[in-house]
Amino acid sequence: KAGVTQTPRYLIKTRGQQVTLSCSPISGHRSVSWYQQTPGQGLQFLFEYFSETQRNKGNFPGRFSGRQFSNSRSEMNVSTLELGDSALYLCASSWNKGQGLEAFFGQGTRLTVV
Amino acid sequence: SQKIEQNSEALNIQEGKTATLTCNYTNYSPAYLQWYRQDPGRGPVFLLLIRENEKEKRKERLKVTFDTTLKQSLFHITASQPADSATYLCAPQDYGQNFVFGPGTRLSVLP
Repeated sequence: KAGVTQTPRYLIKTRGQQVTLSCSPISGHRSVSWYQQTPGQGLQFLFEYFSETQRNKGNFPGRFSGRQFSNSRSEMNVSTLELGDSALYLCASSWNKGQGLEAFFGQGTRLTVV
Repeated sequence: SQKIEQNSEALNIQEGKTATLTCNYTNYSPAYLQWYRQDPGRGPVFLLLIRENEKEKRKERLKVTFDTTLKQSLFHITASQPADSATYLCAPQDYGQNFVFGPGTRLSVLP
């Protein structure tokens, strides 16, 4: 069974640009969550999608958005990039949330904003 | 607001010893608590889950305890090996809520 796939693995962008990251969950998993990880802040929850609907959202500005497609694949978009957006972005999938189910993480996308 | 603390940011122990990592939470009543391992530049990997009505859970050299009165979970690695060196994250979870990850403890097992 294929794991969670995130693309691209590495990305370098310039301030002010926008970026789209992609996440393909494990087959059958309907919940996809996104996290930002920085050395100083640890793993911070961005948002969670389930069956194409955003169920939960973390405390991030509106520049961060996401969506989920009917095949459960998810994308997150960051507009007007800032230097502070440089981080490892991780997505995690599970069959559902809130039921004590483990989350399966992808390898992450390392975003560098210059 | 909810707060999760993990004991020292970094922990060094000698190979063969037992590593004990602590996860404390406040303003929170998790139904489950999960532990993950993360290696540098990679996503976290699930290790163990313990439910609020369970006191202890074991898996090979790993043991987790969950004390809802103390609002604390302990994670033990017995007979530690250099390959156990990684960052360990605890993640309490409410019913219907998302994971909130602790800041992690970076464990180094010295040969």
